[in-house]
Amino acid sequence: DQQVKQNSPSLSVQEGRISILNCDYTNSMFDYFLWYKKYPAEGPTFLISISSIKDKNEDGRFTVFLNKSAKHLSLHIVPSQPGDSAVYFCAALRGGGSNYKLTFGKGTLLTVNP
Amino acid sequence: GAGVSQSPRYKVAKRGQDVALRCDPISGHVSLFWYQQALGQGPEFLTYFQNEAQLDKSGLPSDRFFAERPEGSVSTLKIQRTQQEDSAVYLCASSLAVREQFFGPGTRLTVL
Repeated sequence: DQQVKQNSPSLSVQEGRISILNCDYTNSMFDYFLWYKKYPAEGPTFLISISSIKDKNEDGRFTVFLNKSAKHLSLHIVPSQPGDSAVYFCAALRGGGSNYKLTFGKGTLLTVNP
Repeated sequence: GAGVSQSPRYKVAKRGQDVALRCDPISGHVSLFWYQQALGQGPEFLTYFQNEAQLDKSGLPSDRFFAERPEGSVSTLKIQRTQQEDSAVYLCASSLAVREQFFGPGTRLTVL
């Protein structure tokens, strides 16, 4: 039973345009959400996070939006660059005693075309 | 400073062999995690150490999987009597604060 879902296995965008990656979750105990970026043969690299008490967090070209009522978050990359081409994983953490156990989605492969 | 390192990067084992995967965390990081990533899936939690104490091993798939961190630094994930379904990338992560986990490059295990 997937508690974190990334329903788009892949996304292709043109350089300079916006990339929007989506993520849905089912467990209402999640209170912290993260996006990781992964290049082939490397480990996931932390990109940006958001606490459930916020609905938006911005860091340079990257913005994460959280809609708690819909249990949905999205990552916006503006403008997209070819170096952004990678697999993006959405991950979630619960509050309380097991607040260290990252639950990941299956990932979305983003391709930014020059 | 150096990031999390893992060795070997690639391991091929015959079914039934035992394997040992090593993780060197970032110096000073008290928390260490192991995750398993099957092909086409996201990483899945295996186990968590705080210093040398294994606080959570709920994600280990079977009793063939064993992890240790005897001196609170380097960790080893051991898989006994490997089976084909153990084929995956094994990721190690370390952190000072548990919500900020830094991942190593992983060990790709292939069981023939």
